[in-house]
Amino acid sequence: EAQVTQNPRYLITVTGKKLTVTCSQNMNHEYMSWYRQDPGLGLRQIYYSMNVEVTDKGDVPEGYKVSRKEKRNFPLILESPSPNQTSLYFCASSLIGLKADTQYFGPGTRLTVL
Amino acid sequence: AQKITQTQPGMFVQEKEAVTLDCTYDTSDQSYGLFWYKQPSSGEMIFLIYQGSYDEQNATEGRYSLNFQKARKSANLVISASQLGDSAMYFCAMREVNTGTASKLTFGTGTRLQVTL
Repeated sequence: EAQVTQNPRYLITVTGKKLTVTCSQNMNHEYMSWYRQDPGLGLRQIYYSMNVEVTDKGDVPEGYKVSRKEKRNFPLILESPSPNQTSLYFCASSLIGLKADTQYFGPGTRLTVL
Repeated sequence: AQKITQTQPGMFVQEKEAVTLDCTYDTSDQSYGLFWYKQPSSGEMIFLIYQGSYDEQNATEGRYSLNFQKARKSANLVISASQLGDSAMYFCAMREVNTGTASKLTFGTGTRLQVTL
Protein backbone atom coordinates (compact mmCIF):
# COMPACT_ATOMS: atom_id res chain seq x y z
CA GLU A 1 0.00 0.00 0.00
CA ALA A 2 1.34 3.43 -1.00
CA GLN A 3 1.73 5.50 2.10
CA VAL A 4 3.60 8.08 4.12
CA THR A 5 4.25 7.13 7.72
CA GLN A 6 5.17 9.39 10.60
CA ASN A 7 6.28 8.59 14.11
CA PRO A 8 5.39 9.32 16.76
CA ARG A 9 1.75 10.29 16.24
CA TYR A 10 1.57 12.11 19.55
CA LEU A 11 4.37 13.59 21.62
CA ILE A 12 4.46 15.67 24.76
CA THR A 13 7.88 17.00 25.68
CA VAL A 14 9.53 19.79 27.63
CA THR A 15 11.34 22.90 26.49
CA GLY A 16 14.87 22.24 25.30
CA LYS A 17 14.73 18.46 25.00
CA LYS A 18 15.85 17.46 21.52
CA LEU A 19 13.41 15.37 19.52
CA THR A 20 13.09 13.80 16.09
CA VAL A 21 9.92 13.08 14.15
CA THR A 22 10.46 10.45 11.51
CA CYS A 23 8.85 10.37 8.08
CA SER A 24 9.06 7.60 5.52
CA GLN A 25 7.42 7.04 2.13
CA ASN A 26 7.31 3.91 -0.02
CA MET A 27 6.41 5.50 -3.38
CA ASN A 28 9.93 6.42 -4.56
CA HIS A 29 8.98 10.09 -4.57
CA GLU A 30 11.68 12.66 -5.14
CA TYR A 31 9.95 15.45 -3.27
CA MET A 32 9.32 15.43 0.47
CA SER A 33 8.16 18.23 2.70
CA TRP A 34 7.26 19.13 6.26
CA TYR A 35 4.34 21.36 7.17
CA ARG A 36 2.99 22.64 10.43
CA GLN A 37 -0.67 23.38 10.98
CA ASP A 38 -1.85 26.01 13.43
CA PRO A 39 -5.42 27.22 13.99
CA GLY A 40 -6.41 30.01 11.60
CA LEU A 41 -3.15 29.75 9.64
CA GLY A 42 -3.66 26.68 7.49
CA LEU A 43 -0.58 24.60 6.70
CA ARG A 44 2.79 26.29 6.36
CA GLN A 45 5.87 24.70 4.89
CA ILE A 46 8.85 24.23 7.18
CA TYR A 47 11.43 22.49 4.99
CA TYR A 48 11.42 20.55 1.77
CA SER A 49 13.69 18.26 -0.20
CA MET A 50 13.83 17.77 -3.95
CA ASN A 51 16.00 14.64 -3.69
CA VAL A 52 18.65 12.90 -1.61
CA GLU A 53 21.04 15.39 0.02
CA VAL A 54 19.03 18.33 -1.39
CA THR A 55 17.07 20.26 1.22
CA ASP A 56 15.89 23.84 1.50
CA LYS A 57 13.96 26.14 3.78
CA GLY A 58 10.26 26.67 3.47
CA ASP A 59 8.29 29.55 4.92
CA VAL A 60 8.82 28.85 8.65
CA PRO A 61 12.18 27.04 9.09
CA GLU A 62 13.37 28.65 12.33
CA GLY A 63 13.97 26.14 15.08
CA TYR A 64 13.91 23.10 12.80
CA LYS A 65 16.43 20.93 10.97
CA VAL A 66 16.00 18.18 8.41
CA SER A 67 18.12 15.66 6.58
CA ARG A 68 17.64 13.51 3.50
CA LYS A 69 20.23 10.74 3.49
CA GLU A 70 17.94 8.23 1.84
CA LYS A 71 15.19 8.84 -0.68
CA ARG A 72 12.46 7.31 1.46
CA ASN A 73 13.22 9.09 4.76
CA PHE A 74 12.96 12.74 5.75
CA PRO A 75 13.21 13.26 9.52
CA LEU A 76 12.33 16.53 11.20
CA ILE A 77 14.61 17.53 14.07
CA LEU A 78 13.86 20.01 16.82
CA GLU A 79 17.20 20.65 18.54
CA SER A 80 15.76 22.75 21.36
CA PRO A 81 11.95 22.74 21.24
CA SER A 82 10.03 25.71 22.56
CA PRO A 83 6.32 26.10 23.41
CA ASN A 84 5.67 28.04 20.18
CA GLN A 85 6.51 24.84 18.30
CA THR A 86 3.43 23.16 19.75
CA SER A 87 1.55 22.25 16.60
CA LEU A 88 0.27 19.54 14.29
CA TYR A 89 3.00 18.42 11.91
CA PHE A 90 2.56 16.76 8.54
CA CYS A 91 5.06 15.12 6.29
CA ALA A 92 4.18 14.87 2.61
CA SER A 93 5.71 13.43 -0.53
CA SER A 94 5.11 13.65 -4.25
CA LEU A 95 6.63 13.39 -7.68
CA ILE A 96 8.10 16.59 -9.06
CA GLY A 97 6.83 19.12 -11.57
CA LEU A 98 4.09 18.32 -14.04
CA LYS A 99 3.83 14.77 -12.74
CA ALA A 100 2.90 15.95 -9.26
CA ASP A 101 -0.86 15.94 -9.44
CA THR A 102 -1.16 15.35 -5.73
CA GLN A 103 0.86 15.22 -2.56
CA TYR A 104 0.52 12.30 -0.21
CA PHE A 105 0.32 13.24 3.44
CA GLY A 106 1.30 11.30 6.50
CA PRO A 107 -1.20 10.92 9.36
CA GLY A 108 0.22 13.86 11.30
CA THR A 109 2.17 14.24 14.54
CA ARG A 110 0.61 16.24 17.32
CA LEU A 111 3.42 17.83 19.31
CA THR A 112 3.04 19.62 22.64
CA VAL A 113 6.03 21.43 24.13
CA LEU A 114 5.60 22.36 27.79
CA ALA B 1 4.32 35.19 -4.41
CA GLN B 2 1.47 32.79 -4.57
CA LYS B 3 -1.44 33.18 -2.21
CA ILE B 4 -4.64 31.32 -1.49
CA THR B 5 -7.69 32.97 0.06
CA GLN B 6 -10.60 31.15 1.64
CA THR B 7 -13.03 33.76 2.92
CA GLN B 8 -15.50 31.42 4.65
CA PRO B 9 -14.20 30.34 8.07
CA GLY B 10 -17.32 28.22 8.61
CA MET B 11 -20.27 26.96 6.62
CA PHE B 12 -23.44 25.05 7.41
CA VAL B 13 -25.33 22.90 4.95
CA GLN B 14 -28.29 20.63 5.32
CA GLU B 15 -27.91 16.97 4.52
CA LYS B 16 -28.54 16.14 0.83
CA GLU B 17 -28.09 19.76 -0.22
CA ALA B 18 -25.22 21.04 -2.37
CA VAL B 19 -22.62 23.44 -0.97
CA THR B 20 -19.92 25.60 -2.54
CA LEU B 21 -16.69 26.37 -0.73
CA ASP B 22 -14.90 29.41 -2.08
CA CYS B 23 -11.24 29.67 -3.00
CA THR B 24 -9.41 32.44 -4.83
CA TYR B 25 -5.75 32.43 -5.68
CA ASP B 26 -3.07 34.79 -6.80
CA THR B 27 -0.16 33.82 -9.00
CA SER B 28 1.89 35.24 -11.81
CA ASP B 29 2.74 31.77 -13.08
CA GLN B 30 0.94 30.45 -16.16
CA SER B 31 1.32 26.83 -15.15
CA TYR B 32 -0.06 25.76 -11.79
CA GLY B 33 -2.21 23.19 -10.08
CA LEU B 34 -5.09 23.64 -7.67
CA PHE B 35 -6.03 21.14 -5.00
CA TRP B 36 -8.68 20.57 -2.39
CA TYR B 37 -8.03 18.56 0.74
CA LYS B 38 -10.43 17.41 3.45
CA GLN B 39 -9.37 17.19 7.07
CA PRO B 40 -11.84 15.36 9.32
CA SER B 41 -11.71 15.66 13.09
CA SER B 42 -9.28 12.74 13.19
CA GLY B 43 -6.69 15.04 11.64
CA GLU B 44 -5.48 13.34 8.48
CA MET B 45 -5.31 15.21 5.18
CA ILE B 46 -7.38 13.56 2.47
CA PHE B 47 -6.84 14.57 -1.15
CA LEU B 48 -10.15 15.28 -2.90
CA ILE B 49 -9.63 16.82 -6.32
CA TYR B 50 -7.05 18.40 -8.61
CA GLN B 51 -7.31 20.97 -11.41
CA GLY B 52 -4.45 21.90 -13.70
CA SER B 53 -4.30 25.44 -15.02
CA TYR B 54 -4.36 24.19 -18.62
CA ASP B 55 -7.20 21.74 -18.11
CA GLU B 56 -10.14 22.85 -20.23
CA GLN B 57 -12.75 20.90 -18.35
CA ASN B 58 -13.64 21.37 -14.69
CA ALA B 59 -12.41 18.48 -12.58
CA THR B 60 -14.93 16.09 -11.04
CA GLU B 61 -14.49 13.24 -8.59
CA GLY B 62 -17.73 11.60 -7.55
CA ARG B 63 -19.73 14.13 -5.52
CA TYR B 64 -16.90 16.67 -5.71
CA SER B 65 -16.44 19.10 -8.55
CA LEU B 66 -14.16 22.06 -8.95
CA ASN B 67 -15.64 25.21 -10.46
CA PHE B 68 -12.53 26.63 -12.11
CA GLN B 69 -12.77 30.19 -13.39
CA LYS B 70 -9.30 31.08 -14.59
CA ALA B 71 -9.96 34.72 -15.46
CA ARG B 72 -11.36 35.30 -11.98
CA LYS B 73 -8.64 33.18 -10.37
CA SER B 74 -11.15 31.16 -8.46
CA ALA B 75 -11.32 27.42 -7.80
CA ASN B 76 -14.44 26.75 -5.79
CA LEU B 77 -15.23 23.28 -4.50
CA VAL B 78 -18.79 22.06 -5.00
CA ILE B 79 -20.02 19.15 -2.92
CA SER B 80 -23.28 17.72 -4.13
CA ALA B 81 -25.76 15.79 -1.99
CA SER B 82 -23.97 16.54 1.30
CA GLN B 83 -23.61 13.76 3.83
CA LEU B 84 -22.99 13.90 7.56
CA GLY B 85 -19.54 12.45 6.91
CA ASP B 86 -18.65 15.54 4.89
CA SER B 87 -18.40 17.56 8.11
CA ALA B 88 -14.74 18.52 8.21
CA MET B 89 -12.22 21.27 7.53
CA TYR B 90 -11.55 21.85 3.84
CA PHE B 91 -8.33 23.35 2.48
CA CYS B 92 -7.65 24.82 -0.92
CA ALA B 93 -4.04 24.70 -2.07
CA MET B 94 -1.99 25.70 -5.08
CA ARG B 95 1.24 24.52 -6.64
CA GLU B 96 3.21 26.60 -9.11
CA VAL B 97 4.97 24.38 -11.65
CA ASN B 98 7.60 26.64 -13.17
CA THR B 99 9.48 27.58 -10.05
CA GLY B 100 12.41 26.11 -8.19
CA THR B 101 10.05 24.69 -5.60
CA ALA B 102 7.88 23.10 -8.23
CA SER B 103 6.06 20.84 -5.83
CA LYS B 104 5.47 23.23 -2.94
CA LEU B 105 1.85 23.56 -1.89
CA THR B 106 0.58 26.87 -0.57
CA PHE B 107 -2.53 26.46 1.53
CA GLY B 108 -5.48 28.65 2.40
CA THR B 109 -6.64 28.98 5.98
CA GLY B 110 -9.48 26.52 5.51
CA THR B 111 -13.28 26.38 5.75
CA ARG B 112 -15.00 24.33 8.42
CA LEU B 113 -18.09 22.66 6.97
CA GLN B 114 -20.84 21.37 9.22
CA VAL B 115 -23.55 19.18 7.70
CA THR B 116 -26.81 19.19 9.63
CA LEU B 117 -29.84 16.92 9.57
